[in-house]
Amino acid sequence: EPEVTQTPSHQVTQMGQEVILRCVPISNHLYFYWYRQILGQKVEFLVSFYNNEISEKSEIFDDQFSVERPDGSNFTLKIRSTKLEDSAMYFCASSELVGGGGDYGYTFGSGTRLTVV
Amino acid sequence: AQSVTQLDSHVSVSEGTPVLLRCNYSSSYSPSLFWYVQHPNKGLQLLLKYTSAATLVKGINGFEAEFKKSETSFHLTKPSAHMSDAAEYFCVVSYTGGFKTIFGAGTRLFVKA
Repeated sequence: EPEVTQTPSHQVTQMGQEVILRCVPISNHLYFYWYRQILGQKVEFLVSFYNNEISEKSEIFDDQFSVERPDGSNFTLKIRSTKLEDSAMYFCASSELVGGGGDYGYTFGSGTRLTVV
Repeated sequence: AQSVTQLDSHVSVSEGTPVLLRCNYSSSYSPSLFWYVQHPNKGLQLLLKYTSAATLVKGINGFEAEFKKSETSFHLTKPSAHMSDAAEYFCVVSYTGGFKTIFGAGTRLFVKA
C-alpha cells in the first residue's frame, strides 16, 4: 500500500524561529492537505492544495503559515515565526480524487511532532 | 454549518464482544464520510469510507459502518472486538466540494481481556 512520508518525525524549535515541515505525498495523488492535532485535542484542518494553489483554508491558517509544492514531489508547510501554541502534531495527507475519492480516501502521513520552546 | 459529533469519548468492551462507535454528522449536502483509526504514536489509517455508493460499507479488520441519511448517522461496528482494536477512532466528513474535512473529537476504544 502506498504511503505518505513526513519528515522530520520530531522537531524542536525556539519561539520566533521559522520551521518547514516536509511531506512526500503519494505520487499519483493530486490533492494535498495539512492538519494539526494539539495534544489532547481533535484533529483540525489547516489547508488543502490543488493545481499549485490553495483550494481551501481554515481560520487557523493565517499569514504566518504558507504551503508550497516546490519540485513536484515534496509538499511543505512553513511556519514563519513560531509561537508556543503552534506546538502540535502536524499531519500531511493526499488523495487521488477530490473529497477523498479513490481507493485510499485521504492517506495520512505519520506526522511531525513540533515542539516550540 | 457542517459538523461531526462522536457521541462517546471513551468506549470500553471485553474481547470478543461487539463494538459500536457512534458518529452523527450535519451537512447540507451529501457528504463523504470516513472512519480512521490512530494507534498510539502512529499516523491515521483509513478503516472505511462512504462516498454515495452502498450504504453499508465494509472496511478493514472486520469493521463496517452504515450510512443512515434519515438519522444523519454513520456508526462504526465490529461483531467481535480484539485486543489489537484498542486505539483512537475518528469519524471524518468531507464537504465544500471535498477540499475541506472535519474530524470528530475521537472515541478511544479500550478492549479488556
